[in-house]
Amino acid sequence: NAGVTQTPKFQVLKTGQSMTLQCAQDMNHNSMYWYRQDPGMGLRLIYYSASEGTTDKGEVPNGYNVSRLNKREFSLRLESAAPSQTSVYFCASSGQGISYEQYFGPGTRLTVT
Amino acid sequence: DQQVKQNSPSLSVQEGRISILNCDYTNSMFDYFLWYKKYPAEGPTFLISISSIKDKNEDGRFTVFLNKSAKHLSLHIVPSQPGDSAVYFCAARVRNEKLTFGTGTRLTIIP
Repeated sequence: NAGVTQTPKFQVLKTGQSMTLQCAQDMNHNSMYWYRQDPGMGLRLIYYSASEGTTDKGEVPNGYNVSRLNKREFSLRLESAAPSQTSVYFCASSGQGISYEQYFGPGTRLTVT
Repeated sequence: DQQVKQNSPSLSVQEGRISILNCDYTNSMFDYFLWYKKYPAEGPTFLISISSIKDKNEDGRFTVFLNKSAKHLSLHIVPSQPGDSAVYFCAARVRNEKLTFGTGTRLTIIP
């Protein structure tokens, strides 16, 4: 039981490049989330998926897109990376609904130069 | 508008003493509160939670206190151990809505 897994662990992009961050969970959870963590800013929600087939914007969605591929997988895409997107990205999932305890992946450290 | 605030970015405590981490909130509709712990290069992990119908919840060395009138939440760690050094996030939710996280407090336990 791996919990929440994220790939890659580290990535360096040039401004304007695109990439997809992958997330998978094996806990049969309905809800999944993407956060970014920046110094002094805490965890800010980018997008979430309350259940398979639905996605919604969070607090900071601009510059990102998501896909809930199936119940297990939720990907985050940066179409044209900007230096402001340099951050640590965390994927999370929750089994009881969006209002309850979330389980986090180990994070992806992204640097955009 | 930061609805969940952790006003102390960092805190240092001697090993064996009590660590008290604080969290203030502005939304009176919050009915469930959580604390997460985060080590470097790892994702946050759930630590302890409390419902708004309670004012205290204990789990081993960790106790969370809720003061609804003051809109204040605190996490007490007794006794503090070196392994408690981490960033602690508080979070809150309005029923059936998403969690809102604070900005975190870095706790350092001094041996």
